[in-house]
Amino acid sequence: KAGVTQTPRYLIKTRGQQVTLSCSPISGHRSVSWYQQTPGQGLQFLFEYFSETQRNKGNFPGRFSGRQFSNSRSEMNVSTLELGDSALYLCASSLPQASGANVLTFGAGSRLTVL
Amino acid sequence: DAKTTQPNSMESNEEEPVHLPCNHSTISGTDYIHWYRQLPSQGPEYVIHGLTSNVNNRMASLAIAEDRKSSTLILHRATLRDAAVYYCIPAPNYQLIWGAGTKLIIKP
Repeated sequence: KAGVTQTPRYLIKTRGQQVTLSCSPISGHRSVSWYQQTPGQGLQFLFEYFSETQRNKGNFPGRFSGRQFSNSRSEMNVSTLELGDSALYLCASSLPQASGANVLTFGAGSRLTVL
Repeated sequence: DAKTTQPNSMESNEEEPVHLPCNHSTISGTDYIHWYRQLPSQGPEYVIHGLTSNVNNRMASLAIAEDRKSSTLILHRATLRDAAVYYCIPAPNYQLIWGAGTKLIIKP
């Protein structure tokens, strides 16, 4: 069974540009969540989508946005990139189970470097 | 939201058992306790989760204190491949709270 696929794996952008990252969840998983991981801040929750609706949102500025398609694939977008946006962006998918019992399956991440 | 406290790092010898502690004294009665680990250059990987009683799977065992204020992840026989950062997370708040975890160092 295929795992969570994130593309691209690595990318380099310059300040002011925008970037779109893609996540394909495990087949049958309808919940997709995104995280940012930096050495200084650790793993921080960005947002979660379920059935094309944003269900939860972390404490990030509006430059960070996302969406989910009818096939559960998800994209996140960061506009007007800043140096501090350099990070590993992780996507995780899960089955719609009773809250608390959800097991997250993570992708390998997209490593973004902003110059 | 429940908060967790874990040691920053731990060392263990290869092929010996490892006990990774986690304090979650503010956990609510319905929060599951999840453990994930992150190997270098990879995304986090699910290890185990439980609610009240101890749990076992092929990767590890989870011992949950009777008052649920703490838990211990047990790797029965650590290998070099177990070197990773281990995160203890009360769920469903795992979307919001990922601490620094415990960096497990395995000595050959």
